[in-house]
Amino acid sequence: DAGITQSPRHKVTETGTPVTLRCHQTENHRYMYWYRQDPGHGLRLIHYSYGVKDTDKGEVSDGYSVSRSKTEDFLLTLESATSSQTSVYFCAISEGSLGNTIYFGEGSWLTVV
Amino acid sequence: GENVEQHPSTLSVQEGDSAVIKCTYSDSASNYFPWYKQELGKGPQLIIDIRSNVGEKKDQRIAVTLNKTAKHFSLHITETQPEDSAVYFCAAKISSGNTGKLIFGQGTTLQVKP
Repeated sequence: DAGITQSPRHKVTETGTPVTLRCHQTENHRYMYWYRQDPGHGLRLIHYSYGVKDTDKGEVSDGYSVSRSKTEDFLLTLESATSSQTSVYFCAISEGSLGNTIYFGEGSWLTVV
Repeated sequence: GENVEQHPSTLSVQEGDSAVIKCTYSDSASNYFPWYKQELGKGPQLIIDIRSNVGEKKDQRIAVTLNKTAKHFSLHITETQPEDSAVYFCAAKISSGNTGKLIFGQGTTLQVKP
């Protein structure tokens, strides 16, 4: 395993409530990512980080924000959850330049009702 | 925008047969192409990758080929076994300013029948 822990692993929440997913790594890798996985869409990048306090948007960033205050932690926040954000969320890390040899966590299943 | 197309979406083979999954990409500057295997309830695991300076790479029963001119790459699994059953994703590194990011295909569900 790549030393990535996601929490919570499963969550059910109501529309309009805030939700925060946490990713913790023990590898001291510089780059961290949040992807969502939906049937027919594969994995789509939400946000990524290239260092502490350094983040940027991915291809599906609307409705999401992220923060990285420590190398080992990368938080994904849904400010006001919607049913379209029901998905499986994967955190990933990489040591080298962005996009190379990415290792994934085990996923967080989020249901918005 | 940039994208990666993956085919087929589902593939069923008999144990011992070969399986081939194909992907095409749109960014001609892409230079890194990994393949991931995802088992039910787990995160994707890197199984093989190839860079644009080589045309083929093998690792035991799996191989990947790359045709930069046609902008497509393929995963080949020989002598398939039931434990090869999973969802497979291809990806391509897309240039974005002075960084790059991975764009994934839609996935192929491979079923190997005993």
